Amino acid sequence: GAGVSQSPSNKVTEKGKDVELRCDPISGHTALYWYRQRLGQGLEFLIYFQGNSAPDKSGLPSDRFSAERTGESVSTLTIQRTQQEDSAVYLCASSLRRKNTEAFFGQGTRLTVV
Amino acid sequence: AQTVTQSQPEMSVQEAETVTLSCTYDTSESDYYLFWYKQPPSRQMILVIRQEAYKQQNATENRFSVNFQKAAKSFSLKISDSQLGDAAMYFCAYGRGNQFYFGTGTSLTVIP
Repeated sequence: GAGVSQSPSNKVTEKGKDVELRCDPISGHTALYWYRQRLGQGLEFLIYFQGNSAPDKSGLPSDRFSAERTGESVSTLTIQRTQQEDSAVYLCASSLRRKNTEAFFGQGTRLTVV
Repeated sequence: AQTVTQSQPEMSVQEAETVTLSCTYDTSESDYYLFWYKQPPSRQMILVIRQEAYKQQNATENRFSVNFQKAAKSFSLKISDSQLGDAAMYFCAYGRGNQFYFGTGTSLTVIP
């Protein structure tokens, strides 16, 4: 596609429910990233996929968070048993696997846990 | 670990004036690249400007330019002739090997 697409744009969920966020990267981009952005704050790295290599999960805050990506296509970020502290904008980005390239971002999913 | 510091949480500038946003970073690497991203209220992160560490010449994109001081590990963004549409959060980022590290952002207000 023309850009990184994320869905849904907004999600309101009840505490304790599971949610799944989706990211469609730019076609041909082998690298895919998930970030969390709490209100008024910077970007917090969550997870990084590079092609078929093992993902870098070092930023996932707890075992309630997981992410999947099949090959170089869609990725889903799943949050189980959501807590109010999970409320944030979740941003996805993709990039080419070559030096000196920037990350291209989607518009994010705003998650509100009530 | 690489860290990126933006020491100005908020800045303001009069329309048509010039403003400089500060950014410092910490790395032991010599080959990396630096970015400034803009995030308007729409949440869409937009690349403003990019600088390769091996280049001594400061990058320029229209009204946006950087002051890259490699030895000092400083990477400031200058916005000239500020416009109302420049109002946004600005994030400085460090990139190396497909990994990116972001600062906490500077909120820029443009005063008409």
